[in-house]
Amino acid sequence: AQSVTQPDIHITVSEGASLELRCNYSYGATPYLFWYVQSPGQGLQLLLKYFSGDTLVQGIKGFEAEFKRSQSSFNLRKPSVHWSDAAEYFCAVAPQGYSTLTFGKGTMLLVSP
Amino acid sequence: DTGVSQNPRHKITKRGQNVTFRCDPISEHNRLYWYRQTLGQGPEFLTYFQNEAQLEKSRLLSDRFSAERPKGSFSTLEIQRTEQGDSAMYLCASSPVGGAVTGELFFGEGSRLTVL
Repeated sequence: AQSVTQPDIHITVSEGASLELRCNYSYGATPYLFWYVQSPGQGLQLLLKYFSGDTLVQGIKGFEAEFKRSQSSFNLRKPSVHWSDAAEYFCAVAPQGYSTLTFGKGTMLLVSP
Repeated sequence: DTGVSQNPRHKITKRGQNVTFRCDPISEHNRLYWYRQTLGQGPEFLTYFQNEAQLEKSRLLSDRFSAERPKGSFSTLEIQRTEQGDSAMYLCASSPVGGAVTGELFFGEGSRLTVL
C-alpha cells in the first residue's frame, strides 16, 4: 500500500527566511505527487503537482518542489516566507492514472515576526 | 461564489443519532469525492462518484455510512447511529474528469461533526 510521511509536525520559520517541508513516499512505482495547503477556515488548495519530466516543479504563491526518485522524496521549498504562508501543508500521492489521493499527516507552518 | 459548498458547516449530535451532510460541487465538475479528516491526521479517502455512479469506496466507509449523488449534481453523506469515533471534519471535493487524473481536487471548507 502506498504511504506518505511528513516527518515534521510543526515548523517555525522567521518571516523572510527560507522554508523546506519534507515529504517521503512509499510506493512501488513513481506516483503522481502533490502539495496542498490548508489555511484556517479554508478548504485545501493545490500548490503544485508532479507527474513526470522536469523534477523541479513550480507552483502558486512562490512555492516549488523537487522530486528525487532515489530518495523517494518530494520536498516543498520557498525562498522567502511571508506571514500569510502560515498554514498546514499536506503532501499527497496518487497512483498514476488514478484519482484517489493518499495524504500525509501534514506539517503546520508557523511564521514568526 | 462558485466553489464547492458544504452544509452544514458544523453539526453537534448525540451518539446514536443520524446525521446527513450535503455537498454541492462546482457545476461543471463530474467527479465528486468525500474525505474525512481527524485531528492531527491528513484527509482520508472515503468514496467518490463520477456523475451519479459511485466508483470506489474505502474500507473506512462502514455500513453505517452511505453516500449518494442521485442526479450527478449534489451529493449527500449520511452517517447512521453515530459513534464518538465519527467525530471529524468531512471534506467534499470535486474535479472534472481530466482534473481527477491530474489530482487537482477543489475542496470545500468541510463539515465538522461532533458526536457527544
